[in-house]
Amino acid sequence: GQSLEQPSEVTAVEGAIVQINCTYQTSGFYGLSWYQQHDGGAPTFLSYNALDGLEETGRFSSFLSRSDSYGYLLLQELQMKDSASYFCAVGGSGSARQLTFGSGTQLTVLP
Amino acid sequence: NAGVTQTPKFQVLKTGQSMTLQCAQDMNHEYMSWYRQDPGMGLRLIHYSVGAGITDQGEVPNGYNVSRSTTEDFPLRLLSAAPSQTSVYFCASSRGKTSGNTIYFGEGSWLTVV
Repeated sequence: GQSLEQPSEVTAVEGAIVQINCTYQTSGFYGLSWYQQHDGGAPTFLSYNALDGLEETGRFSSFLSRSDSYGYLLLQELQMKDSASYFCAVGGSGSARQLTFGSGTQLTVLP
Repeated sequence: NAGVTQTPKFQVLKTGQSMTLQCAQDMNHEYMSWYRQDPGMGLRLIHYSVGAGITDQGEVPNGYNVSRSTTEDFPLRLLSAAPSQTSVYFCASSRGKTSGNTIYFGEGSWLTVV
């Protein structure tokens, strides 16, 4: 089976940098993904790491260490609109590389 | 471009009733999935399909049926609704395998079973 752990809540102020960690246990690993979900909305894809290292997409970066079964999402220059839930997800060994999602981290950005 | 369209948006069912959640995508994606999301939890995979005529079970398939007669449509059927199926349901599609490819989600269907 697969399981993921991430903090349930994180709070930061506008303009700051915040890091959301994710640790995982999986029998087969096919990459770590991050999704953002605003209240009442659909999840939207943010980033994907298949290999160790840092992937940068604008203000967002994602990091993966396969040897540590660990990754994080880094959000820079926080804006109020970044207040949302953030989910990490790992791909499994099934035919569709099905994703198993973490329980999500609720990020609150304060003015 | 509509993306992934789900209907209905909201539904209230009585215990024991059956219903179908509709899902359609216009991106010619082979991979489609249904997830449920309960309060404070991540998404859990119910059923998925890797192409027309091919479906398989996910993590929480009991009480649900799916079929994939066309590339575009992937309906989810609740056979006999139970209060435990009260949840938000998301349909999703991707061009390829769900890990490594962007998954596009529908706007969600809020289902309450009383």
